[in-house]
Amino acid sequence: DTGVSQDPRHKITKRGQNVTFRCDPISEHNRLYWYRQTLGQGPEFLTYFQNEAQLEKSRLLSDRFSAERPKGSFSTLEIQRTEQGDSAMYLCASRRDRQTGELFFGEGSRLTVL
Amino acid sequence: AQSVTQPDIHITVSEGASLELRCNYSYGATPYLFWYVQSPGQGLQLLLKYFSGDTLVQGIKGFEAEFKRSQSSFNLRKPSVHWSDAAEYFCAVLTGGGNKLTFGTGTQLKVEL
Repeated sequence: DTGVSQDPRHKITKRGQNVTFRCDPISEHNRLYWYRQTLGQGPEFLTYFQNEAQLEKSRLLSDRFSAERPKGSFSTLEIQRTEQGDSAMYLCASRRDRQTGELFFGEGSRLTVL
Repeated sequence: AQSVTQPDIHITVSEGASLELRCNYSYGATPYLFWYVQSPGQGLQLLLKYFSGDTLVQGIKGFEAEFKRSQSSFNLRKPSVHWSDAAEYFCAVLTGGGNKLTFGTGTQLKVEL
């Protein structure tokens, strides 16, 4: 069990650029989640996958955001035309499908938009 | 909608003192509740969880929490705080038909030596 890994850990970009984050879940976990966390707030749900199917998206996930999990293993979260308000920590988490509740989190990818 | 509220944004305690962090939930049925801890620059680590049964739940690092239905609370406690406990603590409830966690806004714990 190598844990959930996220890459990159830090990303600084200029407004209007596109960024992509990658998440590798724990290998036997078929559910994968993306959360966003801003300073002073708890993590906010963005979206989740069961295998390769994206089953739910939050209203927080604007059209500039897209997440994929093409082979049911790793996932990517892309933000197009970044805005300063996108600056946040993007957290990935995973769990087994039939496991109740508990999520295993990665260390996050911190985005700073200048 | 199901939610949790953490009334205290910041708490400061002296090392060796006892600790209680408050969490109130809003949920019609018996909720599934969690406490996570986040150290600076790190992801979230599960401390403990409550699904059913014994209302006093033991977790890692010497933490415990008590589920009180009458008060809609799930407060986190530790008898004697260590300097390494300084971190941010999040209460969470399982929502969305059991598909996702909804987090509170967190309590930042500072430990004075």
